[in-house]
Amino acid sequence: EAGVVQSPRYKIIEKKQPVAFWCNPISGHNTLYWYRQNLGQGPELLIRYENEEAVDDSQLPKDRFSAERLKGVDSTLKIQPAELGDSAVYLCASRDYVHNEQFFGPGTRLTVL
Amino acid sequence: SQQGEEDPQALSIQEGENATMNCSYKTSINNLQWYRQNSGRGLVHLILIRSNEREKHSGRLRVTLDTSKKSSSLLITASRAADTASYFCATERETSGSRLTFGEGTQLTVNP
Repeated sequence: EAGVVQSPRYKIIEKKQPVAFWCNPISGHNTLYWYRQNLGQGPELLIRYENEEAVDDSQLPKDRFSAERLKGVDSTLKIQPAELGDSAVYLCASRDYVHNEQFFGPGTRLTVL
Repeated sequence: SQQGEEDPQALSIQEGENATMNCSYKTSINNLQWYRQNSGRGLVHLILIRSNEREKHSGRLRVTLDTSKKSSSLLITASRAADTASYFCATERETSGSRLTFGEGTQLTVNP
């Protein structure tokens, strides 16, 4: 069974440019999460989806960040415009209704210059 | 702010020794989970302990939970060089649905 797939793995952009990350969760997983992980720290939740509904986006900086999960499967996270402080690893995770563990993708390492 | 706080921040041991990492948290929880992250990779779930459990084992891993002290420990026995990674505790609070709050992690180095 394939795990959580994320692309791209690495992205380097200049500040003020837009950037988008894509995530394909494990098949059948209804819950999808986007986290941001700064260097040397643990992941911090940005947004959680239950199917196609964003049920927890209280920590998403809505002035520049947006996300969508069309059809309750794949998801994209967008930053527009990017700032220097957005440099981090963006992790996607998914979970089914039965188990409490989250399955993480490898992440996208974003560098904003 | 992070709910979980791991201690120590970094730990270096020799192969074959045991490694103990601690985690403290602040609010009531449904469960506490431990994850491992190898450099440049995503997190891998290791073990989950529910708030009504006190101890749990999985292979060379032993997790304890003391809800009165709001703390947990992860013990890795007979460590191997392949255990070198960052270890994070994450709590699922009673009121947060399925949101996990991660600590800042312990960087474990196992020297061959």
